[in-house]
Amino acid sequence: GNSVTQMEGPVTLSEEAFLTINCTYTATGYPSLFWYVQYPGEGLQLLLKATKADDKGSNKGFEATYRKETTSFHLEKGSVQVSDSAVYFCALSDRRAGNMLTFGGGTRLMVKP
Amino acid sequence: NAGVTQTPKFQVLKTGQSMTLQCAQDMNHEYMSWYRQDPGMGLRLIHYSVGAGITDQGEVPNGYNVSRSTTEDFPLRLLSAAPSQTSVYFCASSPTRVTNEKLFFGSGTQLSVL
Repeated sequence: GNSVTQMEGPVTLSEEAFLTINCTYTATGYPSLFWYVQYPGEGLQLLLKATKADDKGSNKGFEATYRKETTSFHLEKGSVQVSDSAVYFCALSDRRAGNMLTFGGGTRLMVKP
Repeated sequence: NAGVTQTPKFQVLKTGQSMTLQCAQDMNHEYMSWYRQDPGMGLRLIHYSVGAGITDQGEVPNGYNVSRSTTEDFPLRLLSAAPSQTSVYFCASSPTRVTNEKLFFGSGTQLSVL
């Protein structure tokens, strides 16, 4: 079946540091890949997505590239801010599984001033 | 815009009690779903609906019932609460099943079963 594995957190960074959150996936077909973000006390929000190999999703300074050869979709940001403190979820959807989303376990990011 | 509204935000139950978690959306979305969020396990799909009168099971449906009598509402029922159902519950919707990858989430219900 499909699965998503994320690095365990928490990840603690100082403001303006470079961020990488690793995500790898297992899927039988050709999934679409997503990053969702959950700010404290809120539901998840779609951050970015990529629908095919070598696509790069980007939003709010965050980027992730769909790497089919390494089955990865790592999230990066060049300079984090305190306001980026949140939990980040990697997810995939597989058309052959009815487009249902499969989520990773989430990675908590804490950014200190 | 209200979006997806969940009530209550917090609930404490005793083992064996029943309750209903409410979810309503005002975006005329066809697709609605319930997830539970447990530490280190991400979100797991409980039940979903692709339209009024149609529901189906997700990954972890045992102990939960749903119904979809209107497009707007998708309540989740716990018939006999168990400590294993202590979790944070999220309702989510999207315009259609085809676009269900871009979900709109409610703010969650934190449930504790003692």
